[in-house]
Amino acid sequence: QKEVEQNSGPLSVPEGAIASLNCTYSDRGSQSFFWYRQYSGKSPELIMFIYSNGDKEDGRFTAQLNKASQYVSLLIRDSQPSDSATYLCAVTMNRDDKIIFGKGTRLHILP
Amino acid sequence: DTAVSQTPKYLVTQMGNDKSIKCEQNLGHDTMYWYKQDSKKFLKIMFSYNNKELIINETVPNRFSPKSPDKAHLNLHINSLELGDSAVYFCASSQDPRSLSGELFFGEGSRLTVL
Repeated sequence: QKEVEQNSGPLSVPEGAIASLNCTYSDRGSQSFFWYRQYSGKSPELIMFIYSNGDKEDGRFTAQLNKASQYVSLLIRDSQPSDSATYLCAVTMNRDDKIIFGKGTRLHILP
Repeated sequence: DTAVSQTPKYLVTQMGNDKSIKCEQNLGHDTMYWYKQDSKKFLKIMFSYNNKELIINETVPNRFSPKSPDKAHLNLHINSLELGDSAVYFCASSQDPRSLSGELFFGEGSRLTVL
């Protein structure tokens, strides 16, 4: 089983709609969960991190964590064309503190 | 003033050659990493150093040798380059990976092309 799994997409969402990105992870003891955004040809940059079950909101972004289901998601409200990028889910593995990335989901916001 | 800087940004070389990539961070972080991102955008950890000490060494060929002269620098030397080594190599740093908010700060990446 892959350690961090994401649907590679592309996910196409109309401008102004909600984009929903999902991620599952295998290490039940993982503590920290991150969403990074990567524009084409650029380096990843952190959007949000979450470590408690439930929702965490920051502006148009909401991260959701369900440790029982080993599932973390990112919602982007009022999607903008500038949100078009690859979104990488990352998880800190409990056993060795490694930060492992999923393969990323390509998001395309349609104007 | 760039927080994590890598040089060179682009490398084009022939199979069998040896090349190095340098990384420096001015954030005062204790931990530095090398990640490899392949053509499918999969970002895979290679090495991690904490205060000059190797703490993570993934299943990477011996041709790859990291070196950390001090906690602000982490270099990557690659011997006998192969076609499959073509990728973007990202250096990153974090203050404390065990922290619940242990954000990674990435350099701009070094695109290696092996011909």
